[in-house]
Amino acid sequence: EDKVVQSPLSLVVHEGDTVTLNCSYEVTNFRSLLWYKQEKKAPTFLFMLTSSGIEKKSGRLSSILDKKELFSILNITATQTGDSAIYLCAVGGTGNQFYFGTGTSLTVIP
Amino acid sequence: NAGVTQTPKFQVLKTGQSMTLQCAQDMNHEYMSWYRQDPGMGLRLIHYSVGAGITDQGEVPNGYNVSRSTTEDFPLRLLSAAPSQTSVYFCASRPLGTSQITYNEQFFGPGTRLTVL
Repeated sequence: EDKVVQSPLSLVVHEGDTVTLNCSYEVTNFRSLLWYKQEKKAPTFLFMLTSSGIEKKSGRLSSILDKKELFSILNITATQTGDSAIYLCAVGGTGNQFYFGTGTSLTVIP
Repeated sequence: NAGVTQTPKFQVLKTGQSMTLQCAQDMNHEYMSWYRQDPGMGLRLIHYSVGAGITDQGEVPNGYNVSRSTTEDFPLRLLSAAPSQTSVYFCASRPLGTSQITYNEQFFGPGTRLTVL
């Protein structure tokens, strides 16, 4: 059965801290792994990863994929209160379907 | 471009009522999908479509019907609403990509919050 598991489920940190969010997967015929940020509304796209070892970066956020060990991490450095959100990991596999994890809820305290 | 639009934003139904959630996109995307989001469950795929006239079931299709008569529209029908269908529903679309590789991010609509009493 295809599945995507995210950890931790929730995280509370102080502004300025660095956080690492984890996503492991077992998906038939892996195509791509996507990270989304969700703040009380629709998910917004952050990164798409298809190849191992190539880091994607956008400002304070970065992500990397390990296709051998079947996981990805999302790093956020120097966290700000605006980073508070649910971070979703989705993996695309067979049949054009995307499988989502349950998400990691991040709260950044001033 | 309006992107992906959904109506209504909120809806309250009684058990047994039927209704249609509307979804439209103006990006000429072949692929459209419906998800439901429940606390602790993440996003679960209900139905999806890879083009007009083509639909398929996702993880949790029971109690829902879809059709795709045009590229732009992908309505989701609840035939006889049940309290278990209380959820937030998201419609998403993306380009299809090739038959071998799916690279593309999905674009999400703003969601419909449905409560079934």
